[in-house]
Amino acid sequence: DGGITQSPKYLFRKEGQNVTLSCEQNLNHDAMYWYRQDPGQGLRLIYYSQIVNDFQKGDIAEGYSVSREKKESFPLTVTSAQKNPTAFYLCASSPSGGETQYFGPGTRLLVL
Amino acid sequence: AQSVTQPDIHITVSEGASLELRCNYSYGATPYLFWYVQSPGQGLQLLLKYFSGDTLVQGIKGFEAEFKRSQSSFNLRKPSVHWSDAAEYFCAVGAGNYGGYNKLIFGAGTRLAVHP
Repeated sequence: DGGITQSPKYLFRKEGQNVTLSCEQNLNHDAMYWYRQDPGQGLRLIYYSQIVNDFQKGDIAEGYSVSREKKESFPLTVTSAQKNPTAFYLCASSPSGGETQYFGPGTRLLVL
Repeated sequence: AQSVTQPDIHITVSEGASLELRCNYSYGATPYLFWYVQSPGQGLQLLLKYFSGDTLVQGIKGFEAEFKRSQSSFNLRKPSVHWSDAAEYFCAVGAGNYGGYNKLIFGAGTRLAVHP
């Protein structure tokens, strides 16, 4: 079955540590996205990528970094510069120029 | 500015009762409109979408939504709610093409509880 996988399901970060969230899709979609979800705030866009080796900042990119070396993969790194990283992180993808985004199951990041 | 408002933060209905979740948007052009559902600790699942044509759209799990341009609304309905419908529901508007990227703006969500 085609879909989007995210790992791990839960991730714990220590003070000053960088952590990387994985997102893989086998839908052959060109575009991929990272969102942050906080209670009562809906989803906010962190980064998006429309093609391999290209990505753009979203609305809340500070403290985050991404790479897009393969079409199937779009990992998100939460850096130590992100002072409030506790949230639910969702990865999504869409066909090139497509309006509909499809979401993975999410990763919950907690700070120790 | 483009925005999506879901006026109801929490809604509780009895199993078997009808349901309507409200969504209002602010967008200058004809929008693309979506409803997603999220079960606790899970990702978002697409329920239905409106791009053009018939303003009443059918989705999965027995849901439907009606686009009303005059009211800038896209309300989600279900005639008879099941206990498994308890979840959080998000309305979203496709707010234009930014160099090939179709930006989605999400509402804050409505949490639905279902009483037996």
